[in-house]
Amino acid sequence: DAKTTQPNSMESNEEEPVHLPCNHSTISGTDYIHWYRQLPSQGPEYVIHGLTSNVNNRMASLAIAEDRKSSTLILHRATLRDAAVYYCILRVGNTGKLIFGQGTTLQVKP
Amino acid sequence: KAGVTQTPRYLIKTRGQQVTLSCSPISGHRSVSWYQQTPGQGLQFLFEYFSETQRNKGNFPGRFSGRQFSNSRSEMNVSTLELGDSALYLCASSLDSYTQYFGPGTRLTVL
Repeated sequence: DAKTTQPNSMESNEEEPVHLPCNHSTISGTDYIHWYRQLPSQGPEYVIHGLTSNVNNRMASLAIAEDRKSSTLILHRATLRDAAVYYCILRVGNTGKLIFGQGTTLQVKP
Repeated sequence: KAGVTQTPRYLIKTRGQQVTLSCSPISGHRSVSWYQQTPGQGLQFLFEYFSETQRNKGNFPGRFSGRQFSNSRSEMNVSTLELGDSALYLCASSLDSYTQYFGPGTRLTVL
């Protein structure tokens, strides 16, 4: 199974954009790139996903490199409620099998 | 819609015992996946069930098993508990495999 690599932690100031990087150099052609986040004492929460093209939704944007070996989650204006562990995940084909990395702990400063 | 519910929320067992955890998915969701979360290993995939059939399995020993019922509710069982099985066990349901909705988890402590 392909794995992802993320920085252990990142800091951001409130209301500024945040770019969370992820490397997945061994991704296969059928692996989807998903991002989830986990707030303290809660289960993970879906953020966004993509396969090849960049994606936008109300929570964030996902920029996928042309060779698909890396991606970046973009939070356009960080708020204090965005402080969480962000997981970059590869989903194996059309299944519910998610391969979690270690995640990036995002700290947002007021 | 009600979210994913897991019971019990907390559980304390002793080594050698077995345990059964329950997960009720969001109404209409047919896929249920289970994950184990520990401080050392992070989140690890256990297995996925879809329409009562195991569709995927992670790299866990045979002591970990699961099943899904016709109403999509799922249970996972761990036999002969070991200290290392202490973890947060998370269940997630999905309608289309694209988006998984996680429950709050069951915190299992093995003494």
